[in-house]
Amino acid sequence: QLVVTQSPSASASLGASVKLTCTLSSGHSSYAIAWHQQQPEKGPRYLMKLNSDGSHSKGDGIPDRFSGSSSGAERYLTISSLQSVDEADYYCQTWGTGIHGVVFGGGTKLTVL
Amino acid sequence: EVQLLESGGGLVQPGGSLRLSCAASGFTFSIYAVSWVRQAPGKGLEWVSATSGSGGRTDYADSVKGRFTISRDNSKNTLYLQMNSLRVEDTAVYYCAKDRDPYGLGASDAFDIWGQGTMVTVSS
Repeated sequence: QLVVTQSPSASASLGASVKLTCTLSSGHSSYAIAWHQQQPEKGPRYLMKLNSDGSHSKGDGIPDRFSGSSSGAERYLTISSLQSVDEADYYCQTWGTGIHGVVFGGGTKLTVL
Repeated sequence: EVQLLESGGGLVQPGGSLRLSCAASGFTFSIYAVSWVRQAPGKGLEWVSATSGSGGRTDYADSVKGRFTISRDNSKNTLYLQMNSLRVEDTAVYYCAKDRDPYGLGASDAFDIWGQGTMVTVSS
């Protein structure tokens, strides 16, 4: 079964960097994912599509502070030079073919200290 | 500007029906698969349904299969979600979202554009 797992929460200081993790279930380590940001009381915003080889394509207007990387079944979102506006929920999304449909992780709530 | 705008949400009693709409603009709607995604209050995102660009292929989450129907009118650049036999647990903000790449089958790509959402409340 296709599942993506995220830690429920993360925190980092203003100006620092943080690395969020999305883990694909066993047998699905080659799958691409997407990262989305949801600021409080807003709809989700596409950040990037991240492939298993670490290549990624960001959405329009996404700052260079946001980057992605991959290792095995893990997909990472790194945010550098943290700003208060980065305080948000971050979701990873993956998809398959046939019966899988689209799957979201439970989201990581990022607190900027 | 590429945009999706949902409408049609509201308060409905359990067992009732509601139809949501999503108006698309700024891109060639007919060549992109689109999906509905919902978010219950205080919860995460849940994919609901998807349709291919032509509307010929549709897919549903098990939680809504047999109760919800996705459709699209490419002449009006509009996506729909007909929701029947609504349950309290269907209460959520419903978003429409567009696939990043054209010509997909639906539920098979990253979502690169999201609408602002429309609230559906199922309560007696």
